[in-house]
Amino acid sequence: QSVLTQPPSVSGAPGQRVTISCTGSSSNIGAGYDVHWYQQFLGTAPKVLIYVNINRPSGVPDRFSGSKSGTSASLAITGLQAEDEADYYCQSYDSSLSGSVFGGGTKLTVL
Amino acid sequence: QVQLQESGPGLVKPSQTLSLTCTVSGGSINSGGYYWTWIRQHPGKGLEWIGFIYYNGNTYYSPSLKSRVTISVDTSKNQFSLKLSSVTAADTAVYYCARGLRLGELSWVWNYWGQGTLVTVSS
Repeated sequence: QSVLTQPPSVSGAPGQRVTISCTGSSSNIGAGYDVHWYQQFLGTAPKVLIYVNINRPSGVPDRFSGSKSGTSASLAITGLQAEDEADYYCQSYDSSLSGSVFGGGTKLTVL
Repeated sequence: QVQLQESGPGLVKPSQTLSLTCTVSGGSINSGGYYWTWIRQHPGKGLEWIGFIYYNGNTYYSPSLKSRVTISVDTSKNQFSLKLSSVTAADTAVYYCARGLRLGELSWVWNYWGQGTLVTVSS
């Protein structure tokens, strides 16, 4: 069981907007530690999608955005495309566990 | 462009030591500023941070694995390595090496990854 909780799956039709939540606690997100998001296609390594809560690396479309509030963070994807179908992971630091932690991952299905 | 490549046995017997090496190209491990990291992913599951090493040899391990993990660096070969002792079937996973960038206090992001290597623990 991950200390950062994500919904196992989300889905949306092409063109729609979806959000993926990442719920933590006072020892991680709520303590102010940064949240980063990764995208992973089947059989490949993860790729950074959002860093330090809201920032996009160059090359990541602005359809992807991150936010953080309290003990949670969210990844929003607008204008959903078939190519967005992948697994998404949030990552932060947890002071109780004294280490970096990942969420359990969310599988995005484009209907 | 930095590239990382894992290598090592794909099958390890229970109770033995898992040993993997990550070869870095397109950049020097010695250049500083980066945290050379091992992360694993159990089949069909999420990601688990194992630990990292800084170019000066300082290491930082996941407390849950700390008693069994050793990460070392060989700057002459531009490689870093993972050793995980006393393995069980629960250590079967895809093991990734990655380059971490520190972005703030206790904030790291892994922006370059190897392709991953599956290690199966079985007799």
